[in-house]
Amino acid sequence: GEDVEQSLFLSVREGDSSVINCTYTDSSSTYLYWYKQEPGAGLQLLTYIFSNMDMKQDQRLTVLLNKKDKHLSLRIADTQTGDSAIYFCAETTPMDSSYKLIFGSGTRLLVRP
Amino acid sequence: GAGVSQSPSNKVTEKGKDVELRCDPISGHTALYWYRQSLGQGLEFLIYFQGNSAPDKSGLPSDRFSAERTGGSVSTLTIQRTQQEDSAVYLCASSLGRRGADTQYFGPGTRLTVL
Repeated sequence: GEDVEQSLFLSVREGDSSVINCTYTDSSSTYLYWYKQEPGAGLQLLTYIFSNMDMKQDQRLTVLLNKKDKHLSLRIADTQTGDSAIYFCAETTPMDSSYKLIFGSGTRLLVRP
Repeated sequence: GAGVSQSPSNKVTEKGKDVELRCDPISGHTALYWYRQSLGQGLEFLIYFQGNSAPDKSGLPSDRFSAERTGGSVSTLTIQRTQQEDSAVYLCASSLGRRGADTQYFGPGTRLTVL
């Protein structure tokens, strides 16, 4: 079955790197996504990675995918206070023609000044 | 801005009443999704529309929940005889409906409180 898990909380100092981790169980996952949710706001897509890739970099964001361990991580370089939010990883699978997103529980990132 | 919009932003209702939540997707997006975000259950899929048809309703929690989409655009999610456990933020998302990396864009949500 589909299951996506994340740690609940991460606290870092401003300027440090943040690493948010996610594990998934569906080996047929095609796309894995990272969404950001700020207080009172909807979900903002940060980046995604296709399951045949190992890494994707987009400015301060680096996504690493370990298919063998079904482990996904999001690294935020030079973390700023504006990065404080909840980060969700999500997957879609080719077995599902709706391409609905299956979300993890979210990791709350707190950036201390 | 031509993002996904939802109304109302907040809705407080009494147990047993019916509520309607509205979603206006991005123009040209054929796929539309409803999700629910609650403290106990996290973010859950409810229903998926492609055009006006709903080929995947597997996430609707009970027969009190229904949704429709008209003209391939606006969608309404209806909850009949609301219960306290229906209290949550209801999120709508739309996408182009392509296969593969089809980015879903989310609206700000409707916060439903059932007293």
